[in-house]
Amino acid sequence: DSGVTQTPKHLITATGQRVTLRCSPRSGDLSVYWYQQSLDQGLQFLIQYYNGEERAKGNILERFSAQQFPDLHSELNLSSLELGDSALYFCASSVGAAMNTEAFFGQGTRLTVV
Amino acid sequence: GQQLNQSPQSMFIQEGEDVSMNCTSSSIFNTWLWYKQDPGEGPVLLIALYKAGELTSNGRLTAQFGITRKDSFLNISASIPSDVGIYFCAGLPGGGSNYKLTFGKGTLLTVNP
Repeated sequence: DSGVTQTPKHLITATGQRVTLRCSPRSGDLSVYWYQQSLDQGLQFLIQYYNGEERAKGNILERFSAQQFPDLHSELNLSSLELGDSALYFCASSVGAAMNTEAFFGQGTRLTVV
Repeated sequence: GQQLNQSPQSMFIQEGEDVSMNCTSSSIFNTWLWYKQDPGEGPVLLIALYKAGELTSNGRLTAQFGITRKDSFLNISASIPSDVGIYFCAGLPGGGSNYKLTFGKGTLLTVNP
């Protein structure tokens, strides 16, 4: 158990819908990172928050957004869903602002868009 | 952007055999990491490498940071059934981009008992 909690584990939704994925980082970790894992693209960095503020952006679509709340949990919002958004979404957390050996991954949320 | 080429894509081996997989990059990384992902789980860090030429072991696992800083390999000796999973290499460019962990596409390892 990495200490990073993601909910829900599985999500099935229709195209055009909006979903929210939730992540609780390890106790004491200030950074949260979101990654998307798909068969063709592998693990892709989406976005990072550090202590409530957006710190870095990767290959995140405009239809996607995220935020980190005062209690440091984070939510990833995916809207106007398309079939191609079906993937595993991982959250990772670390104490510091840099993604390094301190980062631990959650178990992921498997999103299926039908 | 940066890309990592990881090979092989998959391996089928017998229990007890040694395994080798590698990653090459089109650009330099300051840190190389190797992860393992079990079904239904997130990636778990196996080995971290910080210096060109560094050779690091973790039990039956050994990884090396290439001298050019553009490649790394992972060896698993005397494989056992629980070694089954997907192994990913990942690199960090360092400096101001030390948030952006770039992953290889993974090597799927199957171990026949």
